[in-house]
Amino acid sequence: SAVISQKPSRDICQRGTSLTIQCQVDSQVTMMFWYRQQPGQSLTLIATANQGSEATYESGFVIDKFPISRPNLTFSTLTVSNMSPEDSSIYLCSVKGDRVGEQYFGPGTRLTVT
Amino acid sequence: GIQVEQSPPDLILQEGANSTLRCNFSDSVNNLQWFHQNPWGQLINLFYIPSGTKQNGRLSATTVATERYSLLYISSSQTTDSGVYFCAVVGRAGSYQLTFGKGTKLSVIP
Repeated sequence: SAVISQKPSRDICQRGTSLTIQCQVDSQVTMMFWYRQQPGQSLTLIATANQGSEATYESGFVIDKFPISRPNLTFSTLTVSNMSPEDSSIYLCSVKGDRVGEQYFGPGTRLTVT
Repeated sequence: GIQVEQSPPDLILQEGANSTLRCNFSDSVNNLQWFHQNPWGQLINLFYIPSGTKQNGRLSATTVATERYSLLYISSSQTTDSGVYFCAVVGRAGSYQLTFGKGTKLSVIP
């Protein structure tokens, strides 16, 4: 399985600002995913990021709020823009595994917006 | 979309006890995974089990795809087993979207 790292591991931000989260994988992967986990809740898929194409966003998530970059096969960023306290969550990136539908997750970025 | 229900929502165990966690899903699946989220938020893959039975140490899992449920067994629980256990599925063929259940929060007390 791939080794996935995320930066920062946690941050406290002021409302109205933006934060960019980085996801680095130790091997080339075709598909990367970004999830959000609000406090005490389950995980929800934000978008799928494929190298060389625009990210595909799930219902309820828009590019202006969560722009994503995927410049190569080992790296992606998620920006949380114009933050509000409701954006306080853990943000996790994941990558597609070798088996059908399998995914592996990074350690997450714990974001608090004040 | 596919619905995933987990039970029980909360579980408190004495160290050394056994437990069974259940995951029901509303449609046929191409993938089912069990994860453990530790207190630091890290999601750890436990099993990839769209069907059949697997065992890994004190943990085992069974998925009966035709009846749309999966079970995770934890034997001789330890305090380090504490955390939230999630079941997640991929439903639609060709999709990679993992749909998560709400999880079972397990607390193992000494």
